[in-house]
Amino acid sequence: DAKTTQPPSMDCAEGRAANLPCNHSTISGNEYVYWYRQIHSQGPQYIIHGLKNNETNEMASLIITEDRKSSTLILPHATLRDTAVYYCIVRVVAGNTPLVFGKGTRLSVIA
Amino acid sequence: NAGVTQTPKFQVLKTGQSMTLQCAQDMNHEYMSWYRQDPGMGLRLIHYSVGAGITDQGEVPNGYNVSRSTTEDFPLRLLSAAPSQTSVYFCASRKREVYEQYFGPGTRLTVT
Repeated sequence: DAKTTQPPSMDCAEGRAANLPCNHSTISGNEYVYWYRQIHSQGPQYIIHGLKNNETNEMASLIITEDRKSSTLILPHATLRDTAVYYCIVRVVAGNTPLVFGKGTRLSVIA
Repeated sequence: NAGVTQTPKFQVLKTGQSMTLQCAQDMNHEYMSWYRQDPGMGLRLIHYSVGAGITDQGEVPNGYNVSRSTTEDFPLRLLSAAPSQTSVYFCASRKREVYEQYFGPGTRLTVT
């Protein structure tokens, strides 16, 4: 599976958009980009995933570059409750291999 | 749906004791897995199962056993607890064909 690289930490002002980058330069054609987050002491929570088109749901938007070598998770109006560790994971669309979590990005939303 | 449930929420063991962490899901998910998370660290995969009767090892399986006799349940057994197993344990489940994975609330285990 393709390796991902994320900044260890980021800050964002409350009410502003939080843009979390992820590099996955070795991604292959059948691999999806998944985003999860883990709020302190809780189990990780699925946010969104995509293959090559941009995706949006009620939580976030996912922008994947045309060459698919990087992506950005966007939280349009960050709140204090969005403070969490965000994980970017690349995986093939289906299979029995487990999800492996890297170190992620610690996002701090500041009032 | 209750989702993924884990019991107990908290547990303190003495070194050498054994115990079973329970995990259950009511979403008819084929895939279940166990992770541990040490303080300030990331999640590490212990064991996983792709269906009833099938289990496999993850990154850190030593000291743990699992079985999957039903689709719903995936218990994790600590054979002889050690202080190095002090951690938060998360169980997760998903449908086999997607990676939208659901996590339980965790079990906080302390081994003294």
